[in-house]
Parts: sequence; structure tokens; C-alpha cells
Amino acid sequence: ETGVTQSPTHLIKTRGQQVTLRCSSQSGHNTVSWYQQALGQGPQFIFQYYREEENGRGNFPPRFSGLQFPNYSSELNVNALELDDSALYLCASSLPGVRGSEQFFGPGTRLTVL
Amino acid sequence: KQEVTQIPAALSVPEGENLVLNCSFTDSAIYNLQWFRQDPGKGLTSLLLIQSSQREQTSGRLNASLDKSSGRSTLYIAASQPGDSATYLCAALGADMRFGAGTRLTVKP
Repeated sequence: ETGVTQSPTHLIKTRGQQVTLRCSSQSGHNTVSWYQQALGQGPQFIFQYYREEENGRGNFPPRFSGLQFPNYSSELNVNALELDDSALYLCASSLPGVRGSEQFFGPGTRLTVL
Repeated sequence: KQEVTQIPAALSVPEGENLVLNCSFTDSAIYNLQWFRQDPGKGLTSLLLIQSSQREQTSGRLNASLDKSSGRSTLYIAASQPGDSATYLCAALGADMRFGAGTRLTVKP
């Protein structure tokens, strides 16, 4: 069974640029959630995708957007990068259609905005 | 709005000690509560998941309890080892998943 994978592992961008982060969910999982974790803080929920549709969103501006593909992999896109976007971005997958199911996290992508 | 708090923020103990990490949440309408371990710069490793209908879960030296009525969960680590050094996060799943800021644990040899 393949776990959750994310790419790239590290990324450096400058203010105003755009970035795309990628996530492959665990085998059999069709729900993917994205989180932002600033240094020294707990992860904050960005949004969740289920069956290629956004299924819940946290308190993040529209410049944070996402996609989910038919194979359940997912992308997180961030436009007009700001210095405060520097963080570890985590994705998690969970069992299909099961509320309260365990979430399995990937290793994260470390984004640095200069 | 769900708020999750973890106390203490940091904890240092000698090897072999038993310890308790605390997690509190403000909204009892949750599906589950999950405990994670995070090593520096790494992703989250799930340790224990307690469904809202359960009171506790055990895995090896770890035991987690859940008291929804009081909005509290505890993670008990028995016979701590240096390899247990990490940040421990709790997360409550309701409308979305809310995390505490974590407890940074150091176990000294």
C-alpha cells in the first residue's frame, strides 16, 4: 500500500510569484485535505476535495485554490505569493465517504517566499 | 468556532518516566480526536484515533483518552524513551480538522 506523497519537498519563490504543490493520496482514498503549518504552530485547514469537488474551506483567501484529478491526486495553487505564505504545506487523505475517518498525512512541502 | 489548546507547550523528562500530554477543545460536536507525532521539519505520523463514541484507545506504550463532555483528551506515554522526543499534536475533527499548537517533548537519556 502506497502512502501519501507530496512534491516537491522544498521550494523557494519570491513575492508575487505563483506556486503549484502536488499530492498523491493513499491508495483507495478519494478525499484529500490541504493544510498550512507555520513554524511553531499547528496545521491550519485550507480546503478539502472529495470526488474532484471542493468540500469545505478554511479561512484562506481565494488566491489559494486547488484541484483534484480523476485519479484522486490533488494540486494546491497559490497566486501572488506573500512572505507570510512561507510554511510547511501538508496534504492528507482519508477513506472515501466516511465521516470521522483517520487522516493520513504526507511528508509536506516546505515553501519559502523571499 | 472550534479552538484546540495543548498544555504544556514544552516538556522535558528523564528517560523512563511516565508522562501525560493534555489537549482541550471548546466544541464537543466532534467526529473524532486524533493524536499525531511530528519530527522536526517532517510530516505528521498518526498515533491514535479516538472516535467520538469511544473513551480511549491504546497502542503499545501509548494510551489516549477522550472526555467529550469536558472537552478534554490526554495522551499517556509509558516508560518514555529518547526516541519519543518529538512534537505531539492533537486534532479535533468536526466540520473541519482543528489542531492544537503541539507539545514539544524532550526525553533525556
